[in-house]
Amino acid sequence: NAGVTQTPKFQVLKTGQSMTLQCAQDMNHNSMYWYRQDPGMGLRLIYYSASEGTTDKGEVPNGYNVSRLNKREFSLRLESAAPSQTSVYFCASGRWGYNQPQHFGDGTRLSIL
Amino acid sequence: GDSVTQMEGPVTLSEEAFLTINCTYTATGYPSLFWYVQYPGEGLQLLLKATKADDKGSNKGFEATYRKETTSFHLEKGSVQVSDSAVYFCALSSQGGSEKLVFGKGTKLTVNP
Repeated sequence: NAGVTQTPKFQVLKTGQSMTLQCAQDMNHNSMYWYRQDPGMGLRLIYYSASEGTTDKGEVPNGYNVSRLNKREFSLRLESAAPSQTSVYFCASGRWGYNQPQHFGDGTRLSIL
Repeated sequence: GDSVTQMEGPVTLSEEAFLTINCTYTATGYPSLFWYVQYPGEGLQLLLKATKADDKGSNKGFEATYRKETTSFHLEKGSVQVSDSAVYFCALSSQGGSEKLVFGKGTKLTVNP
């Protein structure tokens, strides 16, 4: 079982470049999430999608956009990357309303120079 | 808003030592509580959970009890192993399920042989 798959695993960008991080899950989950992980900060929610067709802002949405392409896929886009967006990005999926844990991908390590 | 506070790390222990990682929370209503573990280079994995007061979650020798009176969910293990070296995150979901997790900042545990 693949679970939650994120691509790419590593990426280096220059300031001002754009990029889309991809996430797909094969567990038939209805909800999907994007987090960023920074040293000493834990994980902070960027955007989430409670179900196909809906997206909502999390704690730190500025500088990001998302697209829930279908039930399986949820992408995160950086339109104009900034050094402050250097981080490790995690995608997760879950079953909204069923009191079950979220499942996480292995992360995308993004560096912006 | 909801928040989770966990003990600052890093924590360094010898093999077979007793482990406690403190976690306290602030939330409205009756949140569900979780401990996630992140091994080096990997995503987060659910370690254990508790969904109501006095519930005890347990897995792989780790335990945590949901204490509503002290708003705490401390993680314990009686005898740690080198393979337990990882970062541990306490988290809550105030909507009762796994929706919109709020994470603590994480505690890095290193176990030496």
